[in-house]
Amino acid sequence: DQQVKQNSPSLSVQEGRISILNCDYTNSMFDYFLWYKKYPAEGPTFLISISSIKDKNEDGRFTVFLNKSAKHLSLHIVPSQPGDSAVYFCAARRAHMNRDDKIIFGKGTRLHILP
Amino acid sequence: GAVVSQHPSRVICKSGTSVKIECRSLDFQATTMFWYRQFPKQSLMLMATSNEGSKATYEQGVEKDKFLINHASLTLSTLTVTSAHPEDSSFYICSARARTGEPPGANVLTFGAGSRLTVL
Repeated sequence: DQQVKQNSPSLSVQEGRISILNCDYTNSMFDYFLWYKKYPAEGPTFLISISSIKDKNEDGRFTVFLNKSAKHLSLHIVPSQPGDSAVYFCAARRAHMNRDDKIIFGKGTRLHILP
Repeated sequence: GAVVSQHPSRVICKSGTSVKIECRSLDFQATTMFWYRQFPKQSLMLMATSNEGSKATYEQGVEKDKFLINHASLTLSTLTVTSAHPEDSSFYICSARARTGEPPGANVLTFGAGSRLTVL
């Protein structure tokens, strides 16, 4: 049962345009959502997050939107740059009463920024 | 910022041997470390949660006798793949969470660079 879904395995966007990466989730117990960026042969690096009580969080070129009723979030990158070419993982945190909260990842979307 | 070092980055071993992968938090204390496994074109699959000084908590379907996890100190966790088989070949990634001062919404996890295991 895949709780975090990224239905687009890849996306190509022209440099300078907006990149929109989508993510859907099924578990209403998730309290935090995160986006990680991963280059080949490297570990993921944190990009941006959003609390489940908010609907938007912005950090420079990156904005994450959350639609709780639709259980959907998206990452907007504008303007897209060549260095943004990477795999982007959507992740969700499921809080527990103890400290062992868990992060569940989607399969990732490979973003290609075209010159 | 927080840095997690993972070693080795690549390892090739013969079937039946054991392989140890180390995960170190370099500039912070990590009470909790997570071990993930990634198959090609698949998501990061959480294998186990490692808490310093206590036994690891394994996810359903992960054999604890095959994937031994030790978290002996606040800066080091190790994953040992015992009696490795070719199907254990994968990309293993560790991540760590800081001990204190982590507000909600901050960077929850810091990842290592991963270890590519190939079992012949």
